Amino acid sequence: SAVISQKPSRDICQRGTSLTIQCQVDSQVTMMFWYRQQPGQSLTLIATANQGSEATYESGFVIDKFPISRPNLTFSTLTVSNMSPEDSSIYLCSVDYGDNEKLFFGSGTQLSVL
Amino acid sequence: AQSVTQPDIHITVSEGASLELRCNYSYGATPYLFWYVQSPGQGLQLLLKYFSGDTLVQGIKGFEAEFKRSQSSFNLRKPSVHWSDAAEYFCAVGASGTYKYIFGTGTRLKVLA
Repeated sequence: SAVISQKPSRDICQRGTSLTIQCQVDSQVTMMFWYRQQPGQSLTLIATANQGSEATYESGFVIDKFPISRPNLTFSTLTVSNMSPEDSSIYLCSVDYGDNEKLFFGSGTQLSVL
Repeated sequence: AQSVTQPDIHITVSEGASLELRCNYSYGATPYLFWYVQSPGQGLQLLLKYFSGDTLVQGIKGFEAEFKRSQSSFNLRKPSVHWSDAAEYFCAVGASGTYKYIFGTGTRLKVLA
C-alpha cells in the first residue's frame, strides 16, 4: 500500500497569513490531487498537480488563493494564501499509483484560521 | 446533475450487530463506485470499489457492498461490527479515466460496547 506523508498535521493560523502544506509520497507518481474537506461536508477536489505542468484547478478554486508546486514525481505543496476563517478545513493530498484508478490519501492537514 | 447522497449522517450500532450504510448516486455514465473509511486523525482508506462484473463486491475488514443499478444504490454492509469500525464512511462515484470523484457527505458510525 501507499505511504503518503503530509505536513503539518494541524495548524492554527492568523487571518491574512499563508500556510504551505507538504505532501511526500514514497514512490513516483504522475498524478497528485489536493482536496478540501470543510467541517461537516464532503471532500471537494481543489486541483490536480502533474509534474512538469501547471496545476489544473476546479471551478471555484484559483491559483492566487491556492498556489501549488509539483517539483518532482514524489512531492507537492499546496499553499493557502491570505487566509480567512472560511479556509478552516482539512486539506488532503491524494495520489494515483496507476492501480486501477484507486486513490490513496494522506492523513490530512487540519487548518484552523482565527 | 451528478451527485452522491448518503442519507444517514450518524449511525449507532452495538458491537456484533449488523451494519448497512446507504449510498445513492446520480451519474450520467456508467459509474465507478467506491467506499472509503476515515478514522479520526487519519486519511481516507479505500474499503472497496466497483467497476463492473459481479454486483456484490468484497472489500477489506469484512465489508461488502452491492451495486443495484435499478435503485442507483451502492450500500455498504458488514455482518458483525467491531468497535474498531467506528469511523466516518464516504461513498464516492467517478468515471473511467477521470479522478474527479464526487464524494458523499459521509456517515459517522458509532459503535456501542
